Amino acid sequence: KQEVTQIPAALSVPEGENLVLNCSFTDSAIYNLQWFRQDPGKGLTSLLLIQSSQREQTSGRLNASLDKSSGRSTLYIAASQPGDSATYLCAVRPNYGQNFVFGPGTRLSVLP
Amino acid sequence: EAGVAQSPRYKIIEKRQSVAFWCNPISGHATLYWYQQILGQGPKLLIQFQNNGVVDDSQLPKDRFSAERLKGVDSTLKIQPAKLEDSAVYLCASSPFRRGMPGELFFGEGSRLTVL
Repeated sequence: KQEVTQIPAALSVPEGENLVLNCSFTDSAIYNLQWFRQDPGKGLTSLLLIQSSQREQTSGRLNASLDKSSGRSTLYIAASQPGDSATYLCAVRPNYGQNFVFGPGTRLSVLP
Repeated sequence: EAGVAQSPRYKIIEKRQSVAFWCNPISGHATLYWYQQILGQGPKLLIQFQNNGVVDDSQLPKDRFSAERLKGVDSTLKIQPAKLEDSAVYLCASSPFRRGMPGELFFGEGSRLTVL
């Protein structure tokens, strides 16, 4: 059974710092992995989708990497801003089924 | 392009009462999901529809929860009777269906339920 963890649970950084958020999954047989952002009281906003054949995806200041063999994905945020403060969740779609398995999220605070 | 629409945004009810949530997915998305998100946790899948058929409802508490997607477009999730532990955010999501698999997941704003 696929399990997804995200460490740390919370992270606080000063504005302008580059940072890395981690996502680990137990079964390397995945179809794709998606990173989301969730603001308080809001739904999830899709940030990046990485297919199993890809190693990384980039969008603006965000870069997501995927290492299936080690069961890890990282989300790199460059030059962080207070507006980046939110909870970031990763979700893995297993190869053998169709439903995403979500991690618990990392709550990020970027201090001005 | 319009996103996933959900209503109501907030609902407060007493235990043993009933509640219904509505979702309209992105136009053309064949796959629709209902998730339950408890504070501090990631979303948990309740039910997945492919057009108007149920693909996965293994985690839906069928004694009190029901969902339908009659015409393969919008969907309704009902809880009857509600329990205190049903207090959560109910998220609807949709995705396109390509090459035999659902694609990228898009979420609505969610419906926050408080059961007193």
